[in-house]
Amino acid sequence: ETGVTQTPRHLVMGMTNKKSLKCEQHLGHNAMYWYKQSAKKPLELMFVYSLEERVENNSVPSRFSPECPNSSHLFLHLHTLQPEDSALYLCASSQDPIGSRWGRSGETQYFGPGTRLLVL
Amino acid sequence: EDQVTQSPEALRLQEGESSSLNCSYTVSGLRGLFWYRQDPGKGPEFLFTLYSAGEEKEKERLKATLTKKESFLHITAPKPEDSATYLCAVQEGYGGATNKLIFGTGTLLAVQP
Repeated sequence: ETGVTQTPRHLVMGMTNKKSLKCEQHLGHNAMYWYKQSAKKPLELMFVYSLEERVENNSVPSRFSPECPNSSHLFLHLHTLQPEDSALYLCASSQDPIGSRWGRSGETQYFGPGTRLLVL
Repeated sequence: EDQVTQSPEALRLQEGESSSLNCSYTVSGLRGLFWYRQDPGKGPEFLFTLYSAGEEKEKERLKATLTKKESFLHITAPKPEDSATYLCAVQEGYGGATNKLIFGTGTLLAVQP
């Protein structure tokens, strides 16, 4: 669990607040991900960064804004959230060597402990 | 459309009672199938990656197998500490833009002493 850390672990915010989630990976990876996990639903991929460039935005509302300043850090900025945004937000990292997207082997993603978000 | 279906949704076992969890998938070219374990309030913990049909991997009481359509996670003589939600995910191959994982909804396993 110490390979990928997330802060805070728990967050309660009102719909008009602005907050940020932080993720840090200590595995030397170059790709990072944000997932949303809601009860009874599969993990939903939100954003993907590879080599600090956003390569996927999975139709996520603009009230979620990611930032990847370097390959070890990933942020998720939150503003004017809705109660239905309450969920467990998970960060993950993996190695994404150049050309692996077209290669034969999948790259394992390692997850952090998550931030439990409650929007009131 | 790529899909991952896990069954059963929930499974209750007595300690020492072996069983299997199923993960069926539909994907256009498999780059990898992943098993994770998730404890309540925590992030998924990586267990196994399988790449091709016929491959098997083992770790303690767990054994994962893969065919062209599904994967099984066999649990031999489980203990209460094996209680968790087990997640299956697949990674699409050959032309996929990212290392996107498609997850199932998981199997909640409870092992009673």
